[in-house]
Amino acid sequence: NAGVTQTPKFQVLKTGQSMTLQCAQDMNHEYMSWYRQDPGMGLRLIHYSVGAGITDQGEVPNGYNVSRSTTEDFPLRLLSAAPSQTSVYFCASRRRGQLADEQYFGPGTRLTVT
Amino acid sequence: DAKTTQPNSMESNEEEPVHLPCNHSTISGTDYIHWYRQLPSQGPEYVIHGLTSNVNNRMASLAIAEDRKSSTLILHRATLRDAAVYYCIPKAAGNKLTFGGGTRVLVKP
Repeated sequence: NAGVTQTPKFQVLKTGQSMTLQCAQDMNHEYMSWYRQDPGMGLRLIHYSVGAGITDQGEVPNGYNVSRSTTEDFPLRLLSAAPSQTSVYFCASRRRGQLADEQYFGPGTRLTVT
Repeated sequence: DAKTTQPNSMESNEEEPVHLPCNHSTISGTDYIHWYRQLPSQGPEYVIHGLTSNVNNRMASLAIAEDRKSSTLILHRATLRDAAVYYCIPKAAGNKLTFGGGTRVLVKP
């Protein structure tokens, strides 16, 4: 299994541009989520999904959209990039269910907005 | 979510044990205690979790106080590869992970 994969690894955007960060997992996990990590800080939850067709907001959702059309993919869209969105973005997945609590994280996408 | 208190950083010598404390005095009865770690420039990695009894796996041991208000992650023989930020996260099964500041572990050769 490749686990959780993210593309691109690095991205530089100008203010106002839009882009999509890709996330895919091959473990058939129902639950997927997006986090951002600012320098020297812990991770903060942006959006999450408990299954295909179902998404919900996390702690810091403003400026981001998500959709979940398949179990495998969970893209994160930046609608109009702002310098405050400069961060490292991590995607994660896990099985759904009370006993299945181990989350698997991707390697991250480092985004700089100028 | 229960609040946690962890030291900002700890140092250890290679091959020696590391004991990482976590205070979670507001933990609820259904919260599991999870530990994740984040190596430099990588995503977080699951380490271990437990509810009441002490737990062991190939990476670490988790000792949980009898009143569950604190726990200790034990790395039995630290290696350079164990240098990371370690996060203690109490949460109910199925709930979202909430990351705090964690403890940065430095391992000296």
